[in-house]
Amino acid sequence: QVQLQESGPGLVKPSETLSLTCTVSGGSISSYYWSWIRQPPGRGLEWIGYVFYSGSTNYNPSLKSRVTISVDTSKDQFSLKLSSVTAADTAFYYCARGGGWYAFDIWGQGTMVTVSS
Amino acid sequence: DIVMIQSPDSLAVSLGERATINCKSSQSVLYSSNNRDYLAWYQQKPGQPPKLLIYWASTRESGVPDRFSGSGSGTDFTLTISSLQAEDVAVYYCQQYYSTPYTFGQGTKLEIK
Repeated sequence: QVQLQESGPGLVKPSETLSLTCTVSGGSISSYYWSWIRQPPGRGLEWIGYVFYSGSTNYNPSLKSRVTISVDTSKDQFSLKLSSVTAADTAFYYCARGGGWYAFDIWGQGTMVTVSS
Repeated sequence: DIVMIQSPDSLAVSLGERATINCKSSQSVLYSSNNRDYLAWYQQKPGQPPKLLIYWASTRESGVPDRFSGSGSGTDFTLTISSLQAEDVAVYYCQQYYSTPYTFGQGTKLEIK
């Protein structure tokens, strides 16, 4: 079955860029939408944005100026870059299959990213 | 943005009893051309990612026990657990995927009474 795995640094300094990658295994990245969602510890869920396998994207306006999501179909991976981070960006970051008029049916285990000097 | 409001914020129910969680959207999430409500329910247990339970407001995801059911249309939705089991202790979220930015409710914490 399809599985997702996030990878990337767990600690990022303020003003720097957070970079995460999600690897899709057990299936192809093609023909689906792929999203990033985050959750500050003890709080609710916030959709960050999605990428379609073709490369088209859609971002949450609240983060749009700082977010880039890209896809590499040759590696079955998609990635998140969030620039100019602050402590408010400290959260669990999840990758998920969904978006583009579909619910999020498969989730990665999540990775905790802390923004601190 | 479509605002999703859940009620109650927390709920304590006895084992074997019914649990009901409500979700209200600030605008309709019913797409008239296909008569589908773009509303999903998720279950999140401590230390785990959310798990999809229900989509299209009332379609149960494969493998989800049939004690979980979703109902409602337009702006008002309900998640019902017909007979609460110990493993159902979790936080439940509703989410609209009708329009971006996709938004979630604030969550309802379900506990055993």
